[in-house]
Amino acid sequence: DTEVTQTPKHLVMGMTNKKSLKCEQHMGHRAMYWYKQKAKKPPELMFVYSYEKLSINESVPSRFSPECPNSSLLNLHLHALQPEDSALYLCASSQVEGGAAEAFFGQGTRLTVV
Amino acid sequence: GENVEQHPSTLSVQEGDSAVIKCTYSDSASNYFPWYKQELGKRPQLIIDIRSNVGEKKDQRIAVTLNKTAKHFSLHITETQPEDSAVYFCAAISNSGYALNFGKGTSLLVTP
Repeated sequence: DTEVTQTPKHLVMGMTNKKSLKCEQHMGHRAMYWYKQKAKKPPELMFVYSYEKLSINESVPSRFSPECPNSSLLNLHLHALQPEDSALYLCASSQVEGGAAEAFFGQGTRLTVV
Repeated sequence: GENVEQHPSTLSVQEGDSAVIKCTYSDSASNYFPWYKQELGKRPQLIIDIRSNVGEKKDQRIAVTLNKTAKHFSLHITETQPEDSAVYFCAAISNSGYALNFGKGTSLLVTP
């Protein structure tokens, strides 16, 4: 299984809503990532988890709250978002041991904040 | 942190021609350089990668070259086909050892 699965595929939420994005992989990867991608731009790193611990937070606003409940799951909790947070949110995973390796991306969640 | 520059931002070629996309990086400690292809509305997918102990790698119509001294690497696509049309991103591994830093992307259009 070389898939990273993200749910939901699409999400529309109001600025006062609370929602969560979910990501799952069963490749045994111990590094998991959240990226944000705006149209015609590259993916922009938000968070990195290594061995279920948050290792990088790229100065992301607190309205985005990541969580890694176990080695296969990664969540992104959303609260009080702004319209400019509308984007494609990509989850990815990779091996940690043995040096840098291919990052596998999920198909993304298309988020619209209204 | 790592800074990756990518050129050109758009590239239009005729079917059968070659396409070359170039990237430079700033961190001499970077040691892994993947290339991702992203079709409209889809996820980025790895098409080829190279490590710093190798100068060139080929996979059918795709090749990547790396010049560590100059800190640049390039993607070469030969005999382009319309299905090669997509956005291509180069990337380099940051100081963290496994988080990707992407170039700004190249929108490649292959016309029949």
